[in-house]
Amino acid sequence: QSVLTQPPSVSGAPGQRVTISCTGSSSNIGANYDVHWYRQLPGTAPKLLLTGNTYRPSGVPDRFSGSRSGTSTSLAITGLQAEDEADYYCQSFDNSLGGWVFGGGTKLTVL
Amino acid sequence: EVQLVQSGAEVKKPGESLKISCKVFGYNFPNYWIGWVRQMPGKGLEWLGFIYPGDSDTTYSPSFQGQVTISVDKSISTAYLHWSSLKASDTALYYCARRGYSYAADYWGQGTLVTVSS
Repeated sequence: QSVLTQPPSVSGAPGQRVTISCTGSSSNIGANYDVHWYRQLPGTAPKLLLTGNTYRPSGVPDRFSGSRSGTSTSLAITGLQAEDEADYYCQSFDNSLGGWVFGGGTKLTVL
Repeated sequence: EVQLVQSGAEVKKPGESLKISCKVFGYNFPNYWIGWVRQMPGKGLEWLGFIYPGDSDTTYSPSFQGQVTISVDKSISTAYLHWSSLKASDTALYYCARRGYSYAADYWGQGTLVTVSS
């Protein structure tokens, strides 16, 4: 059981918009620690996609955006493309564990 | 360019010891925490622990405390993850990652596959 909660799967047609939610608790997201999002393509290491809830590292297209409200955050992907098929993970810091906590991952399927 | 380069895949028997490595390039190694993350087959990401190379300060996840040991060799900019007695349940991909601003894992190694089987 992961500390952060994500839906196991989402899907959308090319060009559509999808969102992936990530919910935590008072010792991580609710304690105001930032949430970061990662994309993991099959057979590769995770790669930072969004940092500090909403900021895109260099090279990440603006089709990817983040939002936050209370103990929940969301990743939105607009203009879905076939190459967006991947697993997406949220991550934060937990002050009771003293380290990283991850969501269980969401598999995005482009129909 | 920041890079974390991990050692190659390992196949071990239960009870054997193992140390895998993560060599960093492109930044000042002592200044950033390094974290280790496990990914069991078909599963999600789990944090094992951190080490601060500057003074070897370590923090372990309660789930992995006593199961693994994290260390560094500053002279060669390398972090290590060590098991003294492997179990079949340690079979997984292990990643090292740099802990950057606001506790993000901003750079990752390519992963090391550890297979433990009799």
